[in-house]
Parts: sequence; C-alpha cells; structure tokens
Amino acid sequence: KAGVTQTPRYLIKTRGQQVTLSCSPISGHRSVSWYQQTPGQGLQFLFEYFSETQRNKGNFPGRFSGRQFSNSRSEMNVSTLELGDSALYLCASSLEGDVAKNIQYFGAGTRLSVL
Amino acid sequence: GESVGLHLPTLSVQEGDNSIINCAYSNSASDYFIWYKQESGKGPQFIIDIRSNMDKRQGQRVTVLLNKTVKHLSLQIAATQPGDSAVYFCAEKVGGSYIPTFGRGTSLIVHP
Repeated sequence: KAGVTQTPRYLIKTRGQQVTLSCSPISGHRSVSWYQQTPGQGLQFLFEYFSETQRNKGNFPGRFSGRQFSNSRSEMNVSTLELGDSALYLCASSLEGDVAKNIQYFGAGTRLSVL
Repeated sequence: GESVGLHLPTLSVQEGDNSIINCAYSNSASDYFIWYKQESGKGPQFIIDIRSNMDKRQGQRVTVLLNKTVKHLSLQIAATQPGDSAVYFCAEKVGGSYIPTFGRGTSLIVHP
C-alpha cells in the first residue's frame, strides 16, 4: 500500500506570492491533517479535514487555508507569503482522525523556502 | 538530509547501549501520549503509544513509561542501533480532542 505522498518536495517562493501544496493520503484514509515544522516552533498543527470538511483548525492566520477533495486528497494554500512561512509542511493521514484510535501516517513533507 | 530542528537536546550513545529519552508534557488533562521518530528527510513515524490509565507499555525494543504525578514521559530503547539515530518527539492529546500537541524533540545519535 502506498504511503502518504506530498508534492512538491521542495519549493522556493518570494515574499508576497502564494503557494499550493498537495497531499495524497493512504488509500482508504479519510482524515488529512497538516502541520508546520520549524526549528523555532517545532511541529504545529494547521488544520484537519475529514470527508471534505475542515473539522479542526490550529492557531494560524487566515492566509493559511486548505481543502479536501472527494477522493480525500488535500491541498493547502498559503497566500501573501512571508519570510516566516519558510518551513517543512507535513501532511498526515489516518482512517478517522482521532489519533487515540487511528495511527497517523506522515508524508515526507514539502520544504518551502520564502526569499 | 533535511534538518528537522536546531538546538534540540541531544543524546549520544554507543551502539548496543540502552537509550532513555525524556519528555515533560504540559497538560494535566492529556489522556493519550505518543512517541514518534523522525529520520532525516522523512516525516514523523509512530513508534508506540500509551493511555493515561497505564504506567508502562512495551513494544519491540521500546518501552514507554508515564508518570502522571510529575507529567513526565520517557522512551527507553534497548540495544540501540545506528538505525535508531533520529529525532524523537513525544506528543500528548487531551480527551475529546482529535489533534496531538507535539513536544520539541530530542536528537538521538548512535555511534557504531
């Protein structure tokens, strides 16, 4: 069974631009979560989608948004990029979302650099 | 490979030694805890979990200990191998929430 796939692996953008990252979950998984990982803040939760609906949201500004498609694939978008948005963006999928009931499987991440 | 964190606490051990990685969690209402391993260039990988009604749980070469009194979690790795070199994160989850909160991580370096 294929794992969680994130594309692209690396991305370089300039301030003010926008970016879209993609995540394909493990087949059959309906929950997709996004995390931002930086050296200073560690792993921080962005949002979680289940059956095309945003079910949980972290404490990030509205410039960060996402969506989930009917096949459970998910995208996240960051508009008006800032230097501080440089990070590794991780996607994780699970069957139903509650990590106490279902293991979360992570992709390798997309490394975003904002210049 | 990609760096997952700078200025992380680091534990250096020799191959074959036992390793103990510690984690202080923040929320006394947390009822579920997870340890993840993140190798360079990869996303975190589930290692073992424990619920708050337990003090100890064992897996293959790994043991997690939970001390709720002092809000402390530890991961013990027996007979550490070079392939165990990675950053290890603990995560906690409050009952009723779906989403875990991650700790800052510890870098484990295993010398052959």
